[in-house]
Amino acid sequence: EPEVTQTPSHQVTQMGQEVILRCVPISNHLYFYWYRQILGQKVEFLVSFYNNEISEKSEIFDDQFSVERPDGSNFTLKIRSTKLEDSAMYFCASSGGGGSQPQHFGDGTRLSIL
Amino acid sequence: AQKITQTQPGMFVQEKEAVTLDCTYDTSDPSYGLFWYKQPSSGEMIFLIYQGSYDQQNATEGRYSLNFQKARKSANLVISASQLGDSAMYFCAMREGHSGSARQLTFGSGTQLTVLP
Repeated sequence: EPEVTQTPSHQVTQMGQEVILRCVPISNHLYFYWYRQILGQKVEFLVSFYNNEISEKSEIFDDQFSVERPDGSNFTLKIRSTKLEDSAMYFCASSGGGGSQPQHFGDGTRLSIL
Repeated sequence: AQKITQTQPGMFVQEKEAVTLDCTYDTSDPSYGLFWYKQPSSGEMIFLIYQGSYDQQNATEGRYSLNFQKARKSANLVISASQLGDSAMYFCAMREGHSGSARQLTFGSGTQLTVLP
């Protein structure tokens, strides 16, 4: 069964450094998402992406964040200058569109900011 | 106001018994979808079941079924014949708006289910 792939599984970065989280969505999916989950808390929406542009973004997704689909397969989340509070599990998801289509999640990247 | 409320932070069930995990939601949009995801201790998010606001029948997927009561705005997950591997965190989530759009999921705070041998 096709799946969403995220790399790396764990990223440790010094505060203030830039980090890029990578995702390969399911190949025929049209909609892409990033969510984050701070340890022990609920999953929070960051951004959705469709047709090569941001569709929706949350208050969390400030100027420090950006997303890109540099080619036909990858979907990346960049955090320009990481803060301690960016430490979380980051999930990429994709869906095929249509109201009944679930969002399929990757296994996540655990980001630790030191 | 919370859009998705899961009032049971933790639940225990005996192996082979059925268990119901509660979820209530709040929306004024007539078109929405409700999803349940399972998150084992390893951390991944696994899609379980979907219910659309216009669906006439309750959704079922194997041992999972959704008790959808639209007037009460509840979408409880029922797991029948619990197995030890069902021990995990379970999240209810909602997508508001019409189909075909990249609409976000709003998640509840989750219920930690423990299946006892």
